[in-house]
Amino acid sequence: QLQESGPGLVKPSETLSLTCNVSRDYLSTSAYYWAWIRQSPGKGLEWIASVYYSGKTYYEPSLRSRVTISADKSRSQFSLGLTSLTAADTAVYYCASSPGGSDFLFWGQGILVTVSS
Amino acid sequence: QSVLTQPPSMSATPGQRVTISCSGSNSNIGRDTVSWYRQLPGSAPKLLIYDNDQRPSGVPDRFSGSKSGTSASLAISGLRSEDAADYYCASWDVSPSGHVKFGGGTKLSVL
Repeated sequence: QLQESGPGLVKPSETLSLTCNVSRDYLSTSAYYWAWIRQSPGKGLEWIASVYYSGKTYYEPSLRSRVTISADKSRSQFSLGLTSLTAADTAVYYCASSPGGSDFLFWGQGILVTVSS
Repeated sequence: QSVLTQPPSMSATPGQRVTISCSGSNSNIGRDTVSWYRQLPGSAPKLLIYDNDQRPSGVPDRFSGSKSGTSASLAISGLRSEDAADYYCASWDVSPSGHVKFGGGTKLSVL
């Protein structure tokens, strides 16, 4: 199971920090890609970034300059950092895991993040 | 505009077979596999198809996937009212560096 946590409201220009807690020790034992995906209200899915079991990271090119993804196997969690927030970053943020890269088999329930002053 | 192109909406009647298309390029579908997702309102997406045509455990065989060249399709047979949902394709893209692309999504209505 995956469970997102973080603030529901963030101010413009600030940095968003989200954490995904992974049940058991799957983060350290499963050769999966661990990802963040978001969905703006009424819009489609947008992949943000993935971190592979080995630690290699992958980023959406259009967000690359503002995003950091990392994994902490000892705490069985992985995290997302997104800087310089604007209203356009308002979305439901999902954490998910994929065996092959784009086949996200497991999803968190999602967390709504609103960027507003 | 998404790199992976899907029809924004489709409609069909119960019992029919519907096919949703996903058009990409040589940097994504043309060189990697395609996955399909279904998303009901207020819920996280669910994986329906992976590796172009494989179904995860628990997904009924009414759902099938295929890929040819730089395009892929999701077929749903024996359409049911509960199949009314948003459907997304996804594929790995190598240009300019490895990343994932989702299609824009197709809203399927079951009339």
